[in-house]
Amino acid sequence: QKEVEQNSGPLSVPEGAIASLNCTYSDRGSQSFFWYRQYSGKSPELIMFIYSNGDKEDGRFTAQLNKASQYVSLLIRDSQPSDSATYLCAVKSNFGNEKLTFGTGTRLTIIP
Amino acid sequence: GAGVSQSPSNKVTEKGKDVELRCDPISGHTALYWYRQRLGQGLEFLIYFQGNSAPDKSGLPSDRFSAERTGESVSTLTIQRTQQEDSAVYLCASSPGPSYEQYFGPGTRLTVT
Repeated sequence: QKEVEQNSGPLSVPEGAIASLNCTYSDRGSQSFFWYRQYSGKSPELIMFIYSNGDKEDGRFTAQLNKASQYVSLLIRDSQPSDSATYLCAVKSNFGNEKLTFGTGTRLTIIP
Repeated sequence: GAGVSQSPSNKVTEKGKDVELRCDPISGHTALYWYRQRLGQGLEFLIYFQGNSAPDKSGLPSDRFSAERTGESVSTLTIQRTQQEDSAVYLCASSPGPSYEQYFGPGTRLTVT
């Protein structure tokens, strides 16, 4: 089992709709969770981070965390063509282990 | 303010040669990380520096890889006797401190021929 799993996609969503991206992780001791957006040929750009169970909203983006189910998601409302990218889920494990473990990413395409 | 910078942006080298990659973190960021991303794959952790503490080298794939950091500034990643499997984008990230969010530089694309 991979440490951080994402559906590789591609996920196609009509412009203006809600895009839902999902991520599961295996380490129950994980403390912090991050979503990065990566355009083709570019480096990852931080979109959201979440530490506590529940929802965290920032503009059109909402991160949702359920530690009991070891599940984190990213919702993108009012999807725009500029949201088309690969979305990487990253997890930070136990205290003292500072590395991020990344999923392989979900490729999202917003259809105009 | 200025983000993380990396140089060179692209590097083509012959198998067996040594290469040195440079990272300049965001000013004031005490933590610095190196990751590797092979084509079509996720990011692999390589090494982590925090202030003057001993670095976490647990992700370095072989003893051909080494990295240094001077205080809380520039870091260099050195790959000796490069192999074709070392071809990847090498990404540097910095953060304000341990357990904070990480911000990535533009990366160095390394091609070993």
